[in-house]
Amino acid sequence: KAGVTQTPRYLIKTRGQQVTLSCSPISGHRSVSWYQQTPGQGLQFLFEYFSETQRNKGNFPGRFSGRQFSNSRSEMNVSTLELGDSALYLCASSLNFNQETQYFGPGTRLLVL
Amino acid sequence: QQQVKQSPQSLIVQKGGIPIINCAYENTAFDYFPWYQQFPGKGPALLIAIRPDVSEKKEGRFTISFNKSAKQFSLHIMDSQPGDSATYFCAASGETSGSRLTFGEGTQLTVNP
Repeated sequence: KAGVTQTPRYLIKTRGQQVTLSCSPISGHRSVSWYQQTPGQGLQFLFEYFSETQRNKGNFPGRFSGRQFSNSRSEMNVSTLELGDSALYLCASSLNFNQETQYFGPGTRLLVL
Repeated sequence: QQQVKQSPQSLIVQKGGIPIINCAYENTAFDYFPWYQQFPGKGPALLIAIRPDVSEKKEGRFTISFNKSAKQFSLHIMDSQPGDSATYFCAASGETSGSRLTFGEGTQLTVNP
């Protein structure tokens, strides 16, 4: 069974631009969570989607948004990029909502210049 | 109250040694405690997880010890190998937090040959 896939793997953007990251969960998994990983703040939860609905949200500004499609694939969007948004963005999938066992993808490395 | 504190920040052991990584939490609603291993350029991979109803769990060379009264848990790696050199994260989640994981700060482990 294929693991969680994330595209693109690397991105370079400039301040003020917006970016969309994509995540395909493990086949059969219906819940997708997003995390931001930085050297200073570590791994921080962004949001969780299940059945195309956001079920849980972390403490990030409204510039960070996401969505989930009927096939469970998910996208996250960051608008008006700031230098501090440079990070590794990780997607994790689990079988269902409120299912703790999560499997992470390789991440998308975003660099904001 | 949502924090998970992890120590040490870095750890160096010789091959065959038993590195121990410690985590402490405050939120008594947490009821699931996984450990993740992350290699450079990869997403975190689930190693082993424990629930508060047991005090110890072993999987291969990895053991979690859990002290519910002290709200602490630790990871022991038996007979450590150079291939175990990675960053290790503890995490916690609770029934009311969906699949959301709260992560510790991470421990960079180096196992010298």
